[in-house]
Amino acid sequence: DAKTTQPTSMDCAEGRAANLPCNHSTISGNEYVYWYRQIHSQGPQYIIHGLKNNETNEMASLIITEDRKSSTLILPHATLRDTAVYYCIALGSARQLTFGSGTQLTVLP
Amino acid sequence: DAGVTQSPTHLIKTRGQQVTLRCSPKSGHDTVSWYQQALGQGPQFIFQYYEEEERQRGNFPDRFSGHQFPNYSSELNVNALLLGDSALYLCASRRTAVYEQYFGPGTRLTVT
Repeated sequence: DAKTTQPTSMDCAEGRAANLPCNHSTISGNEYVYWYRQIHSQGPQYIIHGLKNNETNEMASLIITEDRKSSTLILPHATLRDTAVYYCIALGSARQLTFGSGTQLTVLP
Repeated sequence: DAGVTQSPTHLIKTRGQQVTLRCSPKSGHDTVSWYQQALGQGPQFIFQYYEEEERQRGNFPDRFSGHQFPNYSSELNVNALLLGDSALYLCASRRTAVYEQYFGPGTRLTVT
């Protein structure tokens, strides 16, 4: 599976949109982009995934660039409960999640 | 609908001992994976079970073994515990044809 690169940490004001970037320049055509988050000392939680089209669900939106080399996870109205480590994963035929270090998002009051 | 459950929540063992961790998958899920998460790091894939067989394995020694039962629940066994085995052990389940995995709360193992 392709390697992903994310910033180590980000801050966001409560109520504002949180935009979390992810680079996956070596992603292959059949690899999906998955996002999970992990709130302190809990198991990771699935957020959203996509292949090449933008996706939206009740939690977030996923914007994937046309060349698929990068993507952005958008939390439209961040709350304090969104403070967590966010993982961007390129998932291919192996179907196993390879977690990197992720981005620590801190939502500030 | 219960999600993924794991037991016990916490466990303290001594070096050289053996440990068994348990996982019940989310209802309707038949594939179970185990992950190890050391402090400050992302989860690392240990192995995956489907139809009671180990289907994929990460870079972990043979001291780590598992089992899946006919009801899809699973066990992770670790023999000859080392201090470095101290970690949060996570179980995740999914339906075979679906990539999306659901994680349990984990078992915190401390080896002294």
